[in-house]
Amino acid sequence: NAGVTQTPKFQVLKTGQSMTLQCAQDMNHEYMSWYRQDPGMGLRLIHYSVGAGITDQGEVPNGYNVSRSTTEDFPLRLLSAAPSQTSVYFCASSFGQGYYGYTFGSGTRLTVV
Amino acid sequence: GENVEQHPSTLSVQEGDSAVIKCTYSDSASNYFPWYKQELGKGPQLIIDIRSNVGEKKDQRIAVTLNKTAKHFSLHITETQPEDSAVYFCAARETGGFKTIFGAGTRLFVKA
Repeated sequence: NAGVTQTPKFQVLKTGQSMTLQCAQDMNHEYMSWYRQDPGMGLRLIHYSVGAGITDQGEVPNGYNVSRSTTEDFPLRLLSAAPSQTSVYFCASSFGQGYYGYTFGSGTRLTVV
Repeated sequence: GENVEQHPSTLSVQEGDSAVIKCTYSDSASNYFPWYKQELGKGPQLIIDIRSNVGEKKDQRIAVTLNKTAKHFSLHITETQPEDSAVYFCAARETGGFKTIFGAGTRLFVKA
C-alpha cells in the first residue's frame, strides 16, 4: 500500500543508547519531515528535508540527526538517548512547492528509561 | 518564526450539534492552512485545507474559514457524529516555505 512506513512501532531504550528510527515513502514526495508529539504540545518539528541530500533543522533539533541519501528514505538518529526524548515520533511527507498537506506514518512510540 | 495557537484544548458536544475550533498564527507570510484529524493510535490525517487567497472552504460537514487581517482561521464541524471524536490539529506554512508549524491540538468528544 502506498504511504509512509515507520519502523519500529515501539521501542524502549536505556539512557545513553543510540538508535535509528526508519521512515520510507513510496509516493515520490520531495518533502519529508520528522515531528515529535508530546501531551499538550502538539506536533513539534525536529528536522525536515526538501529533497535528497538536503536537510535542515526544525523547532527542536537537539539530540537528533538526519540524512537523506534517497528520495524514499529519511531516517532519524538519536545520538545518546535521554528521558526527555520519550515521545511519539511521526514521519511525514508531501509533494514539494505548492499547497500540499502531509501524509503521516503511523508513528513510533519511544520510551527512554 | 511562525507560532500557532489553538483553542480550546478540549471540546465536548452532543451528537448532532456543531463544533468550532479556532487557531491564530503569527507570521503574516503564512499562506497555507491545513487541518488534521488524529484518531487514537494513528498518525494525523489531512481533512481539509485552505489557501490564503480564499476566505472559506467547505467539504460536506466540515468547513474552514480564514481571516487574514486578524490572522486567525477556524474549523467548523456540523451535525457531529460519534466518529468525529478525535484530536484535531491546525497548522500553518509560509509562502515558499518548507516548515509546517502545528497548533497544540483540540480533543473533541461527541456524546451520543
